[in-house]
Amino acid sequence: AQSVAQPEDQVNVAEGNPLTVKCTYSVSGNPYLFWYVQYPNRGLQFLLKYITGDNLVKGSYGFEAEFNKSQTSFHLKKPSALVSDSALYFCAVRGGSYNTDKLIFGTGTRLQVFP
Amino acid sequence: GAGVSQSPSNKVTEKGKDVELRCDPISGHTALYWYRQSLGQGLEFLIYFQGNSAPDKSGLPSDRFSAERTGGSVSTLTIQRTQQEDSAVYLCASSFRQGMEPLHFGNGTRLTVT
Repeated sequence: AQSVAQPEDQVNVAEGNPLTVKCTYSVSGNPYLFWYVQYPNRGLQFLLKYITGDNLVKGSYGFEAEFNKSQTSFHLKKPSALVSDSALYFCAVRGGSYNTDKLIFGTGTRLQVFP
Repeated sequence: GAGVSQSPSNKVTEKGKDVELRCDPISGHTALYWYRQSLGQGLEFLIYFQGNSAPDKSGLPSDRFSAERTGGSVSTLTIQRTQQEDSAVYLCASSFRQGMEPLHFGNGTRLTVT
């Protein structure tokens, strides 16, 4: 069965500094990996995904993520954080049998960007 | 176009009552998921439907929980004999095609069991 781990409950970073939100996964076969963001009192929004190809994927709002197969990781990054990036971030994974495997989410990481 | 619509947006019920939560997915989306999110917590998978295949019910926490999807479109999540621990936000999501496509989420139904 697939699983995903977000080891940090909260990440604090000063505005203008780079940020990283960590995610590791476990699946059989090739993974399909996703990041979603949940702003306060708003629904979940898709940020970016990795399916195949280039290990570095770029998404919305200046975010990017790097797929590392050997470390089974898919960390979310941004070169320069904004206060408005403060939100709850979820990593999600689906196993290689895409017609049958469900999408599983991590427990979420709360990002707090301080001015 | 219209997004995923969930109703009601809020539901307060007494312990022991049954509740029905409704989800209208985006037209043409074949995959539909239900998740549960407790206050400020992660997303707990409940059930997912993919086309005409048998649903994956492996996340349903007890036999008090059930879900249907009629005509490959609207879905209803039913909770029987509600308990206080059922209080959470219930999220529905759909996607056009399983696998590579991201999910589109509704705004959720906030269920409070008193």
